Amino acid sequence: DAKTTQPPSMDCAEGRAANLPCNHSTISGNEYVYWYRQIHSQGPQYIIHGLKNNETNEMASLIITEDRKSSTLILPHATLRDTAVYYCIVRVGRGSTLGRLYFGRGTQLTVWP
Amino acid sequence: NAGVTQTPKFQVLKTGQSMTLQCAQDMNHEYMSWYRQDPGMGLRLIHYSVGAGITDQGEVPNGYNVSRSTTEDFPLRLLSAAPSQTSVYFCATSRQGPNQPQHFGDGTRLSIL
Repeated sequence: DAKTTQPPSMDCAEGRAANLPCNHSTISGNEYVYWYRQIHSQGPQYIIHGLKNNETNEMASLIITEDRKSSTLILPHATLRDTAVYYCIVRVGRGSTLGRLYFGRGTQLTVWP
Repeated sequence: NAGVTQTPKFQVLKTGQSMTLQCAQDMNHEYMSWYRQDPGMGLRLIHYSVGAGITDQGEVPNGYNVSRSTTEDFPLRLLSAAPSQTSVYFCATSRQGPNQPQHFGDGTRLSIL
């Protein structure tokens, strides 16, 4: 699985969009980009994933560059409850490795009032 | 988190003691995994299973054993606890097939004196 690089911390004003970047320059053609978050002392929570097209769900949007070497998670209207560590992960979507996720240190997002 | 139950939530052991961390799921997910999380670090994969009767090692398997006799349960055993195994342990499950998100339990906080 490809390695990812994220800034260690970011902050955002409540009500504004939070844009969390992730670099994955060694991503291969069959690897998906996944985002999870972990609110203090809880288990990680799945947010969104994508291959090469931009994706949107009720929680967030995922923008993947055309060369797929980087992506951005967008929380359109951040709230205080979005304060968490956000993990960007790339992995193969099929095969025996499906059950594995490799987490880095993530980005600590702090939303302030 | 609904569907993935970890017990106990907290445990204190003495060095050399053995114990089993329990993980049970009621979602009929084929894939189950164990992670540990240490302060300031992301999650590291210990062991995982792609189905009943099948297990494999992750990044940090030493000192831990697993078995998967049923789809629902995936216990993690510490045979002889060491202080280096003080950590928060998370169990995760997912469906078989491409791009299925993982669902995490609330964790077991383990201290070894």
